[in-house]
Amino acid sequence: SQQGEEDPQALSIQEGENATMNCSYKTSINNLQWYRQNSGRGLVHLILIRSNEREKHSGRLRVTLDTSKKSSSLLITASRAADTASYFCATGGPFNAGGTSYGKLTFGQGTILTVHP
Amino acid sequence: GAVVSQHPSWVICKSGTSVKIECRSLDFQATTMFWYRQFPKQSLMLMATSNEGSKATYEQGVEKDKFLINHASLTLSTLTVTSAHPEDSSFYICSAREPPGRNQPQHFGDGTRLSIL
Repeated sequence: SQQGEEDPQALSIQEGENATMNCSYKTSINNLQWYRQNSGRGLVHLILIRSNEREKHSGRLRVTLDTSKKSSSLLITASRAADTASYFCATGGPFNAGGTSYGKLTFGQGTILTVHP
Repeated sequence: GAVVSQHPSWVICKSGTSVKIECRSLDFQATTMFWYRQFPKQSLMLMATSNEGSKATYEQGVEKDKFLINHASLTLSTLTVTSAHPEDSSFYICSAREPPGRNQPQHFGDGTRLSIL
């Protein structure tokens, strides 16, 4: 079953605008990751934020994590048409004993981002 | 960066056929790989965790005899869909977690689109 929900389900913006996507989750986590998927392709890892981190940057990407609210956001600044894709958050952990949960990711429903040139 | 290769990218076959999908980590060793299934416009659903040298761990509701997983080496995991039927048609994606440690991203293959006639 899916851990969390993403909001919005679809986002349509113009090139140059910023895009913000939100992700909520339900259980405690070790980290939260954001991935991008172009249509019909595999996922590309964008950024990983650990549970003890609050904000992380990578190029035009900014990710925040609020563990008290069990939520994260992904901000893409100065969007480009090439950013058009589906974006998924995924939670990892907690890595307790038992092994079966070790390294597993639970994905959100995803946000379909369309950037118009 | 870490690369995961998945083959084939596209399969069309008749009902009753068994189909094998390969997932290889090209530049790192992966003791654990993951198999996902994705329906159109939906998120990824984890099917099973593939462990090198031991039995795979299947998620609830996934038929072990239907989806056979073999992880014979540190760079190769295979998923065999046995006696495939039209309802098995889907997009299957594998991933491998880059070592070492817990807070490492997963790297995904490009997926295999399986169509059963």
